[in-house]
Amino acid sequence: GENVEQHPSTLSVQEGDSAVIKCTYSDSASNYFPWYKQELGKGPQLIIDIRSNVGEKKDQRIAVTLNKTAKHFSLHITETQPEDSAVYFCARASGGSYIPTFGRGTSLIVHP
Amino acid sequence: GAGVSQTPSNKVTEKGKYVELRCDPISGHTALYWYRQSLGQGPEFLIYFQGTGAADDSGLPNDRFFAVRPEGSVSTLKIQRTERGDSAVYLCASSSMGQSTGELFFGEGSRLTVL
Repeated sequence: GENVEQHPSTLSVQEGDSAVIKCTYSDSASNYFPWYKQELGKGPQLIIDIRSNVGEKKDQRIAVTLNKTAKHFSLHITETQPEDSAVYFCARASGGSYIPTFGRGTSLIVHP
Repeated sequence: GAGVSQTPSNKVTEKGKYVELRCDPISGHTALYWYRQSLGQGPEFLIYFQGTGAADDSGLPNDRFFAVRPEGSVSTLKIQRTERGDSAVYLCASSSMGQSTGELFFGEGSRLTVL
């Protein structure tokens, strides 16, 4: 189906450490993989995305990698800061409508 | 500019009542999405509008749920005969077709509690 599996559900790190969140999907037609950050009481906000013709993308302290053969993609946050604490969602979409199917989320806690 | 606006931010109702949730998308955005988010879960797709028409309503759980977007801007999600299981945060998002990314811009949601 179109489900996305996301791990871990909770991730606790010390400030300055790296954090990695992993997702897998099953639909081979998936060609767009966004990551959203949701702070308490807010709607999700896009932080980075990657398309299926690219293996890796970086934006300052965040990076996303995609392995289409294995059907998994990951979010990497380096030099974590307390303000990175939030819930992170991976998602996948296919076709031209960009309707994302979301994972269950990872609660990232960065301890000062 | 203004983001996606959703009203009410909180709605408490009794089982069996009718509820309307409103979404005001970013001006000029032709695509509008409704999602439902239960506690500790990711957003779950309900319906997608392209202009005035529902291009994909495959996520609506049953016929108690209905959404409209009569003029291609504001949308209303309507829930009839509410049940306790309908309690969730209802998120609306909009996007501009033709933009280089598939970014959805979300509102802060309407929290629905059915007693």
